[in-house]
Parts: sequence; C-alpha cells; structure tokens
Amino acid sequence: DQQVKQNSPSLSVQEGRISILNCDYTNSMFDYFLWYKKYPAEGPTFLISISSIKDKNEDGRFTVFLNKSAKHLSLHIVPSQPGDSAVYFCAASGNSNSGYALNFGKGTSLLVTP
Amino acid sequence: NAGVMQNPRHLVRRRGQEARLRCSPVKGHSHVYWYRQLPEEGLKFMVYLQKENIIDESGMPKERFSAEFPKEGPSILRIQQVVRGDSAAYFCASSGAVSNQPQHFGDGTRLSIL
Repeated sequence: DQQVKQNSPSLSVQEGRISILNCDYTNSMFDYFLWYKKYPAEGPTFLISISSIKDKNEDGRFTVFLNKSAKHLSLHIVPSQPGDSAVYFCAASGNSNSGYALNFGKGTSLLVTP
Repeated sequence: NAGVMQNPRHLVRRRGQEARLRCSPVKGHSHVYWYRQLPEEGLKFMVYLQKENIIDESGMPKERFSAEFPKEGPSILRIQQVVRGDSAAYFCASSGAVSNQPQHFGDGTRLSIL
C-alpha cells in the first residue's frame, strides 16, 4: 500500500532553470512532510520539511509547497545546478499508530544538464 | 559533528548465516529508526527504538529479525538464518525528538546474500 507516490521516475532540467518535483499522498493523517536527496551508495540527506499548518517553506534555493486539499506537495529548486543531480525522495509522517515512521515515495531521479 | 555512523558498509553472507548491522546515532539523539530499501523501491520503515526499549517493530518481519539499542553502544539490527530475499540496503536514522523533527540517515549497510 503505497501511501506516498512520486509519479515521475525521472526529470531532466537545464542548468539555471527551475526543477519541480511532485509528490502525492493518500493518508489524510499525515501532518509532516520532508524531502530528501540521495546520491548512489550514500544515505538520504535531509533537504527541507514542512508541517501541515503551513503551505510553504523556503530554504535558499529550495522551496516546498503543500496543498492539503489536493494531498499534494512539490519541491522547487531554483536555479538548478549540476550538483543537484540525484534521486529525490518525498516522505511523510503523521498521527497514526506509527506516527514517527517515515513513509517514502519511490523517488524521482533529477538530472541537471549544463 | 559526526552524523549517523553505520558499519559495515558492505556485508556478504551465505544463506543460513547471521548478519549484524550496527548504527551509532547522532550525538545527543535518543531516537533510532531502521529502514530497508529494496532495488527500485523507496525506504520502508522497520523498527523504532529508544535506549533499551523497542517502541515499534511493526515494520519488521516477525521471524529472524531483531533489533536492540542498549544503554551503552550502538543499535544493532540482527538477521538470523539469512535468505536471498534479505539482500537490500539497510539504513539507520536518528532524531532528537519523535515528532516534527527530521530524521538524519547514515550511509547504510548493503547486505548481499550468496
């Protein structure tokens, strides 16, 4: 039962442009959402998070938007840089029996070309 | 500042042997989580521990798998009588609080079963 879905397995963007990564979730109990970046043979690195009481959180080049009614969140990276090329995972947790357990999507592989 | 440290990075076992995976959390973090990632999949929650206590093991297979986080020393994920299907990347994460705090991940242990 995949509660967090990233429907685009891959995305290619030119350097300097905006990268938009999307994520949908099905569990309305989720109230905390995170984005992680992962390079091969390394662990996920925390990028940015957002609580369900907000609809936007910004940190430098990274902005996360949350649309609770649509159960959708997105990560915007602007401007994109070649070093941003990695797999990006969306994750969510909430007030369920295992509220602390992160539920991950399958990831979107971002390629930023020079 | 040391992050989450996992060892070994790679572990090869033959079917029927035991695998022991170790995790030292970020200094000051008392919450430890184990996740498993199969090829082409997102990370799946296995177990959540605090010092000397298993809080939630709902994501862990009922047989052959066990976890501990002793008062002194690292957290251990133990897999007895390994089978081919146990081949995966196992990630440990830690956090300073249980809710609305990002989990920080180690680089994982890649377990291969011959």
